[in-house]
Amino acid sequence: KAGVTQTPRYLIKTRGQQVTLSCSPISGHRSVSWYQQTPGQGLQFLFEYFSETQRNKGNFPGRFSGRQFSNSRSEMNVSTLELGDSALYLCASSQGQGVPYEQYFGPGTRLTVT
Amino acid sequence: GEDVEQSLFLSVREGDSSVINCTYTDSSSTYLYWYKQEPGAGLQLLTYIFSNMDMKQDQRLTVLLNKKDKHLSLRIADTQTGDSAIYFCAERALSGGYNKLIFGAGTRLAVHP
Repeated sequence: KAGVTQTPRYLIKTRGQQVTLSCSPISGHRSVSWYQQTPGQGLQFLFEYFSETQRNKGNFPGRFSGRQFSNSRSEMNVSTLELGDSALYLCASSQGQGVPYEQYFGPGTRLTVT
Repeated sequence: GEDVEQSLFLSVREGDSSVINCTYTDSSSTYLYWYKQEPGAGLQLLTYIFSNMDMKQDQRLTVLLNKKDKHLSLRIADTQTGDSAIYFCAERALSGGYNKLIFGAGTRLAVHP
């Protein structure tokens, strides 16, 4: 079974631009979560989608948004990029909200904002 | 509140055992997890333990849980250079009725010959 895939793997953007990142979950998984990983803040939860609905949201400004499609693929959008948005963005999929709630991570998209 | 703490760095000699420690604050946590992250990669789920267990063993990995002290540890037997990575402890939390994972800052394990 193929793992979680994320595209693109690397991205360089300029301050003020917007960016869209994509995540394809493991086949059969309906839940997709997004995390931001930085050296200073560690792994921070952004949001989770299940059946095209946002179920959980972390403490990030409204510039960070996401959506999920009917095939469970998810996209994350960041508008008006700031230098502090430079990070590794990780996507994780799970079968659903049931326990033990195992999440499987993709390789991440490394975003650099200049 | 939700908080997970780990020591940041551990150095061991190849062949020795490694013990990575973690403390958490949410006493209602029912599942606790260990993830491994190698350079340039995402997180790999190593193992998890249910809170009614105090130990779980999986090949070279042993997880110990002290629920009273809210302390979790991961022991890696016969540590190899390929075990060099960052290890994250995480607890399952409920937010708005839905599951989410709270991660620690990660422990960087360095294995030297």
